[in-house]
Amino acid sequence: LAKTTQPISMDSYEGQEVNITCSHNNIATNDYITWYQQFPSQGPRFIIQGYKTKVTNEVASLFIPADRKSSTLSLPRVSLSDTAVYYCLAVEYGNKLVFGAGTILRVKS
Amino acid sequence: GAGVSQSPSNKVTEKGKDVELRCDPISGHTALYWYRQSLGQGLEFLIYFQGNSAPDKSGLPSDRFSAERTGGSVSTLTIQRTQQEDSAVYLCASSLGTGRGANVLTFGAGSRLTVL
Repeated sequence: LAKTTQPISMDSYEGQEVNITCSHNNIATNDYITWYQQFPSQGPRFIIQGYKTKVTNEVASLFIPADRKSSTLSLPRVSLSDTAVYYCLAVEYGNKLVFGAGTILRVKS
Repeated sequence: GAGVSQSPSNKVTEKGKDVELRCDPISGHTALYWYRQSLGQGLEFLIYFQGNSAPDKSGLPSDRFSAERTGGSVSTLTIQRTQQEDSAVYLCASSLGTGRGANVLTFGAGSRLTVL
């Protein structure tokens, strides 16, 4: 389980693109990068995962450079409802998922 | 079922009493996790079950906490002699356990425990 480091909090405005970067300098060969979103009073929800380069789905994009020591979650045109805590994990399939403190994203109008 | 089901959704108990929290994972999911989250805090890992392997209990905070998973499906988290610091939301999650789905957890709505 690679240690990950994320900003404690970020502020944005509606309609902007938000990029949250996660550092995982000691990522292992078999680790996959996974992001979760947690709204207040709810359990976390899986957003996206990837191994290298770029992954995109209907919610977000994930950019992973060739050295895989960091990753960036990109949320296009955020709205107030994207206010949440975002967690980055780097873990091998089948190993336990331990969540860090995450990044508190506040979207303002 | 379609999702992860947890019960009770709310539990208020007196200090010193035992409580049991139940989790029904998604059918076919071999991995099951318990986490807890105190108000305004992050997710604290408690225990991880994967198939028939011995559970990873490294996150259990004390010997008052125990969990079992019967028949590879339903799990029960038991807290004995509850203390006020045990008050939290207890979250259960499950996943396919292997391959790409291993890291895709589906969480239940949680059991909110209040110890008076």
